Amino acid sequence: AQSVSQHNHHVILSEAASLELGCNYSYGGTVNLFWYVQYPGQHLQLLLKYFSGDPLVKGIKGFEAEFIKSKFSFNLRKPSVQWSDTAEYFCAVNQRGQNFVFGPGTRLSVLP
Amino acid sequence: EPEVTQTPSHQVTQMGQEVILRCVPISNHLYFYWYRQILGQKVEFLVSFYNNEISEKSEIFDDQFSVERPDGSNFTLKIRSTKLEDSAMYFCASILGQGATVNTEAFFGQGTRLTVV
Repeated sequence: AQSVSQHNHHVILSEAASLELGCNYSYGGTVNLFWYVQYPGQHLQLLLKYFSGDPLVKGIKGFEAEFIKSKFSFNLRKPSVQWSDTAEYFCAVNQRGQNFVFGPGTRLSVLP
Repeated sequence: EPEVTQTPSHQVTQMGQEVILRCVPISNHLYFYWYRQILGQKVEFLVSFYNNEISEKSEIFDDQFSVERPDGSNFTLKIRSTKLEDSAMYFCASILGQGATVNTEAFFGQGTRLTVV
């Protein structure tokens, strides 16, 4: 079955620390990859997406992600986190003509 | 910026009652979805809708659930007889189109928090 896994359930960092959240998927073929963020009490918002081309994609708020096809991974990174980055982060994958499958989410807590 | 809107933001209902959750997708989008997120758990796919019919549904989407696009604008999710375990945040999403050359980013609504008591 198609699935998306995220390495960490809860990550706690201090401000200015670097962040990397892991995401792996189990699909064959061409996929579209996304990272969504959900701030407390809010809806899902797109951080960044990969469809094709440069495997290093840059998103909003200083986030970036790297698609490594051989590892079926799409890890999210940010060099220096802020308290306002505290949120739940979801990796999502879809294939052409199919629905989105979300990972279980990683809760990020940034300590001031 | 266009957005997906959902109403109500919070609905409390008694077990066994019918509820209708409403969504207004982005106007030129063609694909519509319902997802749910039980508190503290992952976002789960319920159903996708295209060309006025269900294109895919998950195991969660049983006979108690139905979707409708009654007027070309609204996209509704109906739960016929709610159960306690239906308590969750329900998200509507819409997509412009599918395919390698079409932007397949999903735009999500703010969600409706359903509480079944």
